[in-house]
Formats: sequence, C-alpha cells, structure tokens
Amino acid sequence: DTAVSQTPKYLVTQMGNDKSIKCEQNLGHDTMYWYKQDSKKFLKIMFSYNNKELIINETVPNRFSPKSPDKAHLNLHINSLELGDSAVYFCASSQGDPRGNYGYTFGSGTRLTVV
Amino acid sequence: SQELEQSPQSLIVQEGKNLTINCTSSKTLYGLYWYKQKYGEGLIFLMMLQKGGEEKSHEKITAKLDEKKQQSSLHITASQPSHAGIYLCGAVTTSGTYKYIFGTGTRLKVLA
Repeated sequence: DTAVSQTPKYLVTQMGNDKSIKCEQNLGHDTMYWYKQDSKKFLKIMFSYNNKELIINETVPNRFSPKSPDKAHLNLHINSLELGDSAVYFCASSQGDPRGNYGYTFGSGTRLTVV
Repeated sequence: SQELEQSPQSLIVQEGKNLTINCTSSKTLYGLYWYKQKYGEGLIFLMMLQKGGEEKSHEKITAKLDEKKQQSSLHITASQPSHAGIYLCGAVTTSGTYKYIFGTGTRLKVLA
C-alpha cells in the first residue's frame, strides 16, 4: 500500500482553469504538507496542516487553497491557473507537529503543466 | 522500504564536534539535494550534487556525492547551536521515468 498517495501524477491544463490535486496518507500521521518544487529543484513549503488545522501558510497566491477534510487528507485547489504555476507539487506527512522530526514521508509528486 | 535511506534518524552532539549524516539510495542517482528545516519552518535548500565525486560546501557544511556507492554524506565541522534542525536528502532517480524520492530526515540537536 502506498503510504502517501497523490493524484493525479500528471496534470496538463489550460490557463485560467481551476484544478485540484489530492493527497491521502494511511500512516496515521498528524501533520501534512504541500511543497512546490521550482525549476531549480528547490522545495518550497506552501502549507502545513496539523490535525486538520492550518499551521504553516507561506506566502503563496490566494488562488491556492488547501483543504483538509480529515487528518488523512490534504487537498490543494488552484483557481485561475497561470503559466508560472507549472511545477511539481509534493505532498508529505509526518507524525507530530513540524517542530519535531518523526520522519517525513513524501508522495511521488504531481507534475502540473499549464499551457 | 525507503528508497532513500537516511542515517542516523536523530543525532545529539556537543557544540564544536563534527558530525556526518548519510543518505543512501538503492537506485542510481541523477541528482542529490540536501535541505534543512528549522523548527517550525519549511525546508531550506542547502546544496545540490549531480556528478560522482562532486563535493560542495556551504559555510561549515560539506556534502559529497559518491555516485558508485549511490550515497551522499553531509558533514558539519565544529557544530554550533545554529546548525540544529532537521536535515533531509532528496534525489532524482529513474527506472524508466524520472522520479523524485526523499529520505525521512535526520534531527540534529547541538548542545551548548
């Protein structure tokens, strides 16, 4: 069973569209994250949820909205997609809150291409 | 099992001591990245290694990629409390298509 699963793996869409990326973890972890990997392979945190509560909200356009229906799921919804949104998005989870390290588990990434 | 094994999982050292964190892959690496997370913050990019034998330094942190062993080591010289945090390795590998994989992280505490 995949511990952290992201869907879809690939997403090609036109500018202006609204899309969602889903993430689910079956590890019983308390904290989930969304990271964006830019063209230089830098991982930048976007959001973090601990037990469904938003605890890290970095400066990202408000077109990006995370939604956590329960602690096993953290979805990322993007409105009015722009060319610059093209990137690989990673979901991750960990036990406890981000101030400790109980081990990260990453999803395999979603490659978003906006045309 | 983890495709990228990181060791140790946690490390406590006295200030001034040297330390090494290892990252080992079961697959051929096409790029290896080291990140650091300070408590309560996101991951900060430290350095990227691409060629076998490549070594890079950032202040007192040195990372080396041993492509033959599919391993990278991160070495901190004369550790300071500011080095405390979580160190994470990430890599690009391929088995048909490029794939991104990550270690589980190493928590470092530096005692003053």
